[in-house]
Amino acid sequence: GQQVMQIPQYQHVQEGEDFTTYCNSSTTLSNIQWYKQRPGGHPVFLIQLVKSGEVKKQKRLTFQFGEAKKNSSLHITATQTTDVGTYFCAGGGLEAYNTDKLIFGTGTRLQVFP
Amino acid sequence: SQTIHQWPATLVQPVGSPLSLECTVEGTSNPNLYWYRQAAGRGLQLLFYSVGIGQISSEVPQNLSASRPQDRQFILSSKKLLLSDSGFYLCAWGTGGAGGELFFGEGSRLTVL
Repeated sequence: GQQVMQIPQYQHVQEGEDFTTYCNSSTTLSNIQWYKQRPGGHPVFLIQLVKSGEVKKQKRLTFQFGEAKKNSSLHITATQTTDVGTYFCAGGGLEAYNTDKLIFGTGTRLQVFP
Repeated sequence: SQTIHQWPATLVQPVGSPLSLECTVEGTSNPNLYWYRQAAGRGLQLLFYSVGIGQISSEVPQNLSASRPQDRQFILSSKKLLLSDSGFYLCAWGTGGAGGELFFGEGSRLTVL
């Protein structure tokens, strides 16, 4: 079946260090979305990428969609304690380009130590 | 503005008992609706999604079922719960298509004993 994998599963960093999570799909995606889930909370939408090779920035967060539209990354520069949470990528269009079906990645849990 | 309500927030149920989780969306029409399950410390598993009234797509073989009796109402049910049904259940809505970000409810934490 369709799979969206993320690495690493966990990441502990010192405040101020950078952080990157990688997302890989078994099939070509029509779009990739990123969500953040704070501990005990629900996922909240961060951004969507649609074009091959697309790069988008939100303050200290940089999102990239691979040229083959099968992988993506999220990079956080100079992490802060407010960045703590689990980051999920979610792929649309894995199955016959069915963009109604959004498959979430396995998630990367980020812990930031002050 | 659009809002999504999900209840109950927490429930503890014995093995073999029935389950009903309800989700409603306000402020939008004909939304795509989704049920995801999150096991402790794990990712989000898509259980069901619906693009319209009475239209349910099931993603994982299991003892759960979903129904959409009204445009903005999505119900997750089980006739007999299993221990493995424990988890955090999240309802979400989206506009669908390539621009369809999802908006999640607060979640329902189910513990089956």
